[in-house]
Amino acid sequence: GDSVTQMEGPVTLSEEAFLTINCTYTATGYPSLFWYVQYPGEGLQLLLKATKADDKGSNKGFEATYRKETTSFHLEKGSVQVSDSAVYFCALSDPISGNTPLVFGKGTRLSVIA
Amino acid sequence: DTGVSQNPRHKITKRGQNVTFRCDPISEHNRLYWYRQTLGQGPEFLTYFQNEAQLEKSRLLSDRFSAERPKGSFSTLEIQRTEQGDSAMYLCASSLDRASGGSTDTQYFGPGTRLTVL
Repeated sequence: GDSVTQMEGPVTLSEEAFLTINCTYTATGYPSLFWYVQYPGEGLQLLLKATKADDKGSNKGFEATYRKETTSFHLEKGSVQVSDSAVYFCALSDPISGNTPLVFGKGTRLSVIA
Repeated sequence: DTGVSQNPRHKITKRGQNVTFRCDPISEHNRLYWYRQTLGQGPEFLTYFQNEAQLEKSRLLSDRFSAERPKGSFSTLEIQRTEQGDSAMYLCASSLDRASGGSTDTQYFGPGTRLTVL
């Protein structure tokens, strides 16, 4: 079945450092890909998405590019802030194969220190 | 747009008791999803509705779990004879399907109900 694998955390960075969180997927169809973020004590929020190959999703300085050839959707940010400390989840939805519900990775906890 | 709301936010119960959670989706959304999240894991799909019809159920949804969305608006998730393994965060999400003019697959999540079974 469909699955998402993302790098395990925790990831600890200094403020203004470059961030990469790796995400790869397995899907039978042509999935849509998402990054969700969960700040401490809050619910999941959609950070960005991409619905087809080579699409780039971006929001709040974060970017991820849908790479069909490598089945990847890595999350990047050029300069992290303390306020970016959260848990980041990569997810896919594969409606063409009938799988509308999201399939999530296990999450990567990011801590940014000043 | 008031977002997805869930009640209660926290529930502590004793093993063997029944519990019921409620989810109110974004008002114009016709799809509603339930997920379960345990500590250190990503959310796992339980079931989803299109309007009042329950279209898919995960094998995680044992016979002790039942979900309803009687009028296609709010939904309830009931767990009967709770077990300690049911302790988790229960998340609700909603979306508007493409046929109704929504953005494909974008699900919006509520804050969750944290269940602790003693």
